[in-house]
Amino acid sequence: QVQLVQSGAEVKNPGASVRISCRSSGNIFSRYYMHWIRQAPGQGLEYMGMTAPTGRQTTSAQRFRDRISMTINMTTTTLFLELRSLTFDDTAMYFCARGGETATVNWFDSWGQGTLVIVTS
Amino acid sequence: IQLIQSPSSVSASVGDSLTITCRASQDIAGWLVWYQQRPGRAPRLLIYAASTLQTGVPARFSGRGSGTLFTLTINTLQPEDFATYYCQHASSFRFTFGPGTKVDIK
Repeated sequence: QVQLVQSGAEVKNPGASVRISCRSSGNIFSRYYMHWIRQAPGQGLEYMGMTAPTGRQTTSAQRFRDRISMTINMTTTTLFLELRSLTFDDTAMYFCARGGETATVNWFDSWGQGTLVIVTS
Repeated sequence: IQLIQSPSSVSASVGDSLTITCRASQDIAGWLVWYQQRPGRAPRLLIYAASTLQTGVPARFSGRGSGTLFTLTINTLQPEDFATYYCQHASSFRFTFGPGTKVDIK
């Protein structure tokens, strides 16, 4: 079972950016699609976007398209999510999750533990 | 595509069986996934392709359905099954989650 370990909690002001990392116990980023999902306090799951193997392509949900970046550092086997222009509504737990080796595998079989981002003034 | 789950919450006892429903706003064939999320934890994959049990998931969990109507059944509820359950679909790189069904102890 692959382990995904995310970076620690962040507290940010409105308008700032946040960068979250997700490290893999193995070199899965060269083979698997990786995804980001978030969950506001007491709310359901919201899909944010995905990175193709090696980071060659990214696709994000429409509502995040102009302020999200998803990258991979293959040397350190670390996946990154950057979210810019934060608002209070971005306060949430952010999860990285592994998809499949092909784009047709539309589910997430391993998840990071989550990174809490709090946006506060 | 919208996913609607029912009920939104349910109370049950250890040993009970229960069924959760997920309805899709249009035909999604068999492309439906179920997750379990315990409080304070990341979601856990239970079932994919509507009825295929993920490795390591107990056989008391089962999924059925196709088209627009899907069900997740839990037989003989165990204490660790009290959690929130989400259905999920994806097509053309658009991923959607249902709003969740919370199962708590009666």
